[in-house]
Amino acid sequence: DMQMTQSPSSLSASVGDTVTITCRTTESISRYLNWYQHKPGTAPKILIYDASTLHTGVPPRFTGSGSGSDFTLTISSLQPEDFANYYCQQSYSSPYSFGQGTKLEI
Amino acid sequence: QVQLVESGGGVVQPGKSLRLSCAASGFGFGDYGIHWVRQAPGKGLEGVAFISKDGNYEDYVDSVKGRFSISRDNAKNTVYLQMNSLKVEDTAVYYCAKDQLGFFGYYFEYWGQGTLVTVSS
Repeated sequence: DMQMTQSPSSLSASVGDTVTITCRTTESISRYLNWYQHKPGTAPKILIYDASTLHTGVPPRFTGSGSGSDFTLTISSLQPEDFANYYCQQSYSSPYSFGQGTKLEI
Repeated sequence: QVQLVESGGGVVQPGKSLRLSCAASGFGFGDYGIHWVRQAPGKGLEGVAFISKDGNYEDYVDSVKGRFSISRDNAKNTVYLQMNSLKVEDTAVYYCAKDQLGFFGYYFEYWGQGTLVTVSS
């Protein structure tokens, strides 16, 4: 199974800040990389797929970039509702594995 | 609207079995692959199993191979996860998710709300 390394594992920030989360894979996966937001007690929510395509309805303050084995998720102008857990996921080979997650907290 | 509803979770002793169900509605069920994803207490998300839209292809994370089996009944719009020889480390909330094809690969557009499986003596 493919291994994913996501960092940082936790991140403290304030409303209005810009933060970046990184995800690295052990082999090249082109742009087969997705980002999810997950809040406790709810189902995860897709933010970005194909490394940089914003899913319908997701605010443009979320941006994804990268290809190959290095990817980033940037959240600009943090809003109160953005404080959550974030996961990268590779969709290059099944079962689709996730990064360890990043807890974004105030 | 698209709905995925998991059921079948509960408390079970180590070594026992449990079968989870994922009932789908609101989309052409037979046109999409379905995944099971779990989250253990205090841990991150883990992809557990996948079944193709026609049921002809399955895949599993290494930690459950030989113990878990995924299947689907397209006439009933339902996917199942048969979990045998359960271990304490299988304790988690189990989600089913519907895949959606992007330009490059698949992503999970819709998820169920999850069902809790607790393996404890």
